[in-house]
Amino acid sequence: NAGVTQTPKFQVLKTGQSMTLQCAQDMNHNSMYWYRQDPGMGLRLIYYSASEGTTDKGEVPNGYNVSRLNKREFSLRLESAAPSQTSVYFCASSAGESGETQYFGPGTRLLVL
Amino acid sequence: EDQVTQSPEALRLQEGESSSLNCSYTVSGLRGLFWYRQDPGKGPEFLFTLYSAGEEKEKERLKATLTKKESFLHITAPKPEDSATYLCAVLLSVAAGNKLTFGGGTRVLVKP
Repeated sequence: NAGVTQTPKFQVLKTGQSMTLQCAQDMNHNSMYWYRQDPGMGLRLIYYSASEGTTDKGEVPNGYNVSRLNKREFSLRLESAAPSQTSVYFCASSAGESGETQYFGPGTRLLVL
Repeated sequence: EDQVTQSPEALRLQEGESSSLNCSYTVSGLRGLFWYRQDPGKGPEFLFTLYSAGEEKEKERLKATLTKKESFLHITAPKPEDSATYLCAVLLSVAAGNKLTFGGGTRVLVKP
């Protein structure tokens, strides 16, 4: 099992450009999450999907959109990137009602110039 | 407001020098407390889950404990490979959703 995979690993964008971060899990988990991690701020939840077909805002959703494509995949979209979105983005998944432990992917490092 | 605070922010240890990391929380409706290890450039790796005060869990040189207000991660006789950032996170009430609130982490450096 690969667990949680994320693409790309690293990306450089110019202000105003758009991009989609991809996440997939092969653990048959129901819930998926997107976090950002910034120095001194810890991990902050952007959006989450408790189950296929549902999405909800987390702590810092502004400037982002998400799509739960199917049970395996959960994507994060930046429509118009800003320098404040320079960060490391982590995707995570958990079984859901039958298990709360979240398992994380390797991260995507995003630099917005 | 729910808060999770970790201390110290950074910890430098000699190999074999045992120490403890603290995670204090002020939340309502705690359902569980999680410890993760994060190596530079990688995602957090799950270590432990604690659900009730008095509970303890161990893995190799790590031992996690939980009280009603805080959790400790004890590192016994650490080795250089224990160098990492250790994160704690709390799982809140069902009404708040199946979401984790993370502390800022403790960076541990173990020197040989």
